[in-house]
Amino acid sequence: QQQVKQSPQSLIVQKGGISIINCAYENTAFDYFPWYQQFPGKGPALLIAIRPDVSEKKEGRFTISFNKSAKQFSLHIMDSQPGDSATYFCAGLPGSGGGADGLTFGKGTHLIIQP
Amino acid sequence: DAGVTQSPTHLIKTRGQQVTLRCSPISGHKSVSWYQQVLGQGPQFIFQYYEKEERGRGNFPDRFSARQFPNYSSELNVNALLLGDSALYLCASSLTFKNEQYFGPGTRLTVT
Repeated sequence: QQQVKQSPQSLIVQKGGISIINCAYENTAFDYFPWYQQFPGKGPALLIAIRPDVSEKKEGRFTISFNKSAKQFSLHIMDSQPGDSATYFCAGLPGSGGGADGLTFGKGTHLIIQP
Repeated sequence: DAGVTQSPTHLIKTRGQQVTLRCSPISGHKSVSWYQQVLGQGPQFIFQYYEKEERGRGNFPDRFSARQFPNYSSELNVNALLLGDSALYLCASSLTFKNEQYFGPGTRLTVT
């Protein structure tokens, strides 16, 4: 199965710092790359997403950087806050004709923001 | 507008039993996808339905089946439950099969 490899598995950042989570994918048919935030006992919430025609997308404190040639993308959380403490998942979705129309997720990053 | 709703919230079943999970998508969304999330892992794709037709299937055994109704709600059925089926089952809603997917709160299934 085509994988999405996510790192680090866990991350501790001081309040106000920058949190960086990285993902690498194998399936070149992916054309949509979302990030989800999940709190314990809740479903994943869509945070921000990018398509390969741009190298960066910013929404508030959250930025996705995308490197198509390296097949890598990352999430940057600026001015990290204790409320950002959660598990973050990256994912990829194939374009039309690229296979089963489901998201392939990374294994997640458990982020803790220390006050 | 209401988000994705799922029922029941929690469910406890015995090995060998059958279970049905339900999902109502966001109003106006015509596609529903099902995922299984084992504790400590990312969600795994099970099925996607669009306009009542199966659009995709993940690597799950035939004990798993689903359907989508004319009002776009969906059911996931799992037969002959195994202990390994214990997980959070998530439903995701999207406008079409290639748009952003929004997840519901999930159904926590425990098989004993």
